[in-house]
Amino acid sequence: DQQVKQNSPSLSVQEGRISILNCDYTNSMFDYFLWYKKYPAEGPTFLISISSIKDKNEDGRFTVFLNKSAKHLSLHIVPSQPGDSAVYFCAARMDSNYQLIWGAGTKLIIKP
Amino acid sequence: EAGVTQFPSHSVIEKGQTVTLRCDPISGHDNLYWYRRVMGKEIKFLLHFVKESKQDESGMPNNRFLAERTGGTYSTLKVQPAELEDSGVYFCASSHRRSPYEQYFGPGTRLTVT
Repeated sequence: DQQVKQNSPSLSVQEGRISILNCDYTNSMFDYFLWYKKYPAEGPTFLISISSIKDKNEDGRFTVFLNKSAKHLSLHIVPSQPGDSAVYFCAARMDSNYQLIWGAGTKLIIKP
Repeated sequence: EAGVTQFPSHSVIEKGQTVTLRCDPISGHDNLYWYRRVMGKEIKFLLHFVKESKQDESGMPNNRFLAERTGGTYSTLKVQPAELEDSGVYFCASSHRRSPYEQYFGPGTRLTVT
């Protein structure tokens, strides 16, 4: 049973526009969420994270929003650039447990 | 600073054979993790070392998988005997004890069992 779900396998966005990647989770015990970015033939790279005590975290062009009541988080990329084309993974963890629970990923394609 | 390295990058073996994957974490990182991604699905946790000790091995699929971390440095993951369903990409990650949740990943080893 998947505890972290990314329901969109792929997303295509025009360069310069906003990219919004979504993630839903089922376990209310998750207290920390992370987004990773992955290029082909490389390992995932940490992008941005958010604690469950916050509802927003921003780092440059990347903003993560957390809606605990809906068990939903989203990653906003503004403006989208060609180098943002990659697979984006949402991951979550529970307090005192270091393992990450991952979604299946969303492939983001930025069109020129 | 060198990142997490993994060897080999790709391994093709026959069902029933043995394969050993190696991971060298970032120097100074006490935490080392193994993950696996099968056929475009989600990445799944296998186990977590703190230095040389297994902290959590709840994700290890069965006793055909054996992970070690000698001296708290590099780690190996042995699959013996390999089965077809073991095919996938095996990722290793490491993190510093001060920021354990920011895990740095290696490029992965693609294992194909035929």
